[in-house]
Amino acid sequence: AQSVTQLGSHVSVSEGALVLLRCNYSSSVPPYLFWYVQYPNQGLQLLLKYTTGATLVKGINGFEAEFKKSETSFHLTKPSAHMSDAAEYFCAVSPYGGATNKLIFGTGTLLAVQP
Amino acid sequence: EPEVTQTPSHQVTQMGQEVILRCVPISNHLYFYWYRQILGQKVEFLVSFYNNEISEKSEIFDDQFSVERPDGSNFTLKIRSTKLEDSAMYFCASSEARIMNTEAFFGQGTRLTVV
Repeated sequence: AQSVTQLGSHVSVSEGALVLLRCNYSSSVPPYLFWYVQYPNQGLQLLLKYTTGATLVKGINGFEAEFKKSETSFHLTKPSAHMSDAAEYFCAVSPYGGATNKLIFGTGTLLAVQP
Repeated sequence: EPEVTQTPSHQVTQMGQEVILRCVPISNHLYFYWYRQILGQKVEFLVSFYNNEISEKSEIFDDQFSVERPDGSNFTLKIRSTKLEDSAMYFCASSEARIMNTEAFFGQGTRLTVV
């Protein structure tokens, strides 16, 4: 069965430091992968997604993620953290290469940015 | 910017009662979804709805649950005979097309507390 594992339920970085949020997936077929962000009192917002093609995907707010099939990973990075990046981040996979229309989410990583 | 709106933001109900969670999806979207997140756990898919019928549902979505699009603008989730374990954040989402081809937009959630 498809699943997503996010390592680290809480990550704290200093403003200006590299952000690295880890996501590993389990899928028997090529997956579609997503990162969502949730700011306080708001809904989930799509940051970026990988379906096919280029394995390095750029998203909004300076975030990017790289699909590494050999490592079954889709880690989210940002070179320099801003205070406004403090939020909860969810990695998700669409099973069966998109044949179904649902998302399977990880448990989320709460990112804190220290001044 | 168009958004998915959920009401109420917080609902408290007594065990055994019926609740209806309401959502107004984005107006030109065709696919509708409900997800839930029990505190501290993963965001879980409940159901997807397209062309006025359920297109996919999870094992969680049993006879206790039902969805409806009563008037072409609202999308509701009804939970009959609520149980303590139904306490969770419920997210509504909508998309213009299937999620591998477009973005699913999520509402801010309704926190359901069953007492």
